[in-house]
Amino acid sequence: AQSVTQPDIHITVSEGASLELRCNYSYGATPYLFWYVQSPGQGLQLLLKYFSGDTLVQGIKGFEAEFKRSQSSFNLRKPSVHWSDAAEYFCAVGLARSNYQLIWGAGTKLIIKP
Amino acid sequence: NAGVTQTPKFQVLKTGQSMTLQCAQDMNHNSMYWYRQDPGMGLRLIYYSASEGTTDKGEVPNGYNVSRLNKREFSLRLESAAPSQTSVYFCASSDSNQPQHFGDGTRLSIL
Repeated sequence: AQSVTQPDIHITVSEGASLELRCNYSYGATPYLFWYVQSPGQGLQLLLKYFSGDTLVQGIKGFEAEFKRSQSSFNLRKPSVHWSDAAEYFCAVGLARSNYQLIWGAGTKLIIKP
Repeated sequence: NAGVTQTPKFQVLKTGQSMTLQCAQDMNHNSMYWYRQDPGMGLRLIYYSASEGTTDKGEVPNGYNVSRLNKREFSLRLESAAPSQTSVYFCASSDSNQPQHFGDGTRLSIL
């Protein structure tokens, strides 16, 4: 069965430090991959997506993610975090064979230390 | 530039009551989705509509019904609310393999 794993429930990072959020998936074909961000009390906003081509994708707010087929991973990175990045981050896999439904990870809550 | 609009934003119900959550999108998307979000569980798909006139069950459809009223609107109905349905409900829309766009959610408490 398809699944998405975000191994870290919480991550605490100092402001200005680098960030990497992990995402691993289980899917029999090349997936469509997404990262979304959710601020408290808000809906989900798309950060970036991977459909095909260059495996390093750039998103909004200075985020990037790298698709590694051999590791079934799509980790999210940012070189220097800002206090406004504190939020919950969700990785999702789109299933082309299932009408592009999304399978979601449980989320990683990012806490920024001043 | 509304995108996906959900109403109401908050609702408190008593066990056994019914209600309908409304969702409308103005992006001319074919597909629409209803999710529930519970702490530590990410988003779980309740129902989706791949196109106007079609609806299909998702991962957690029990206790819910949906109606795709037209291309813009997709409603979610709880016929007899139960405390286990206390959650945050999100509606989303998209086209084919494009990213889903989300509303701001409905926070539903069932006492």
